[in-house]
Amino acid sequence: DTGVSQNPRHKITKRGQNVTFRCDPISEHNRLYWYRQTLGQGPEFLTYFQNEAQLEKSRLLSDRFSAERPKGSFSTLEIQRTEQGDSAMYLCASSFNRGDKSRFEQFFGPGTRLTVL
Amino acid sequence: GQQVMQIPQYQHVQEGEDFTTYCNSSTTLSNIQWYKQRPGGHPVFLIQLVKSGEVKKQKRLTFQFGEAKKNSSLHITATQTTDVGTYFCAGKYGGSQGNLIFGKGTKLSVKP
Repeated sequence: DTGVSQNPRHKITKRGQNVTFRCDPISEHNRLYWYRQTLGQGPEFLTYFQNEAQLEKSRLLSDRFSAERPKGSFSTLEIQRTEQGDSAMYLCASSFNRGDKSRFEQFFGPGTRLTVL
Repeated sequence: GQQVMQIPQYQHVQEGEDFTTYCNSSTTLSNIQWYKQRPGGHPVFLIQLVKSGEVKKQKRLTFQFGEAKKNSSLHITATQTTDVGTYFCAGKYGGSQGNLIFGKGTKLSVKP
């Protein structure tokens, strides 16, 4: 399977704990995006990377959230001191954007469902 | 702030009926994309519209981008049970390289 993969698929944690999610994009894709989706809502943009550089962050993104893409391949999203309001599906997407070979569509992974008790 | 409004929130149709969902932005969009999310699944890209007044068709699906690039619509002719899911529009604004603003989606259910 050469699609976007995310791990874990489900995470249950207690309030105050730290959690980390991983996203492996499609191998040739240089852009990687993180979104959060709650029930009945569309995906909400969190941040995106072009290669290893984090180019854009949502103003809504709390400082408890941090994302990395150290080698321009996989990415991790960490949430520190989780709160019940962090419960959501965390989606990762990737795309290929390089000059005239750019492909604009974003390919989404299956998501990590976080439940904070 | 930049926001994309989408209506209706839900649509229940009989199989064979048509379906339309509408997307609206208060400010001009650079382009707009449409995604479909099946129940329990993740969003899947359908199409991107870039030009003012653009119309694109994919079999029974027709996508339109308004002249002012502030609104868009998706129309499905003669719905089938396989069309069930939530349809999202996602707008991109000038000056934002990667940030897509998603609407809340229209959840379509089709009664056989």
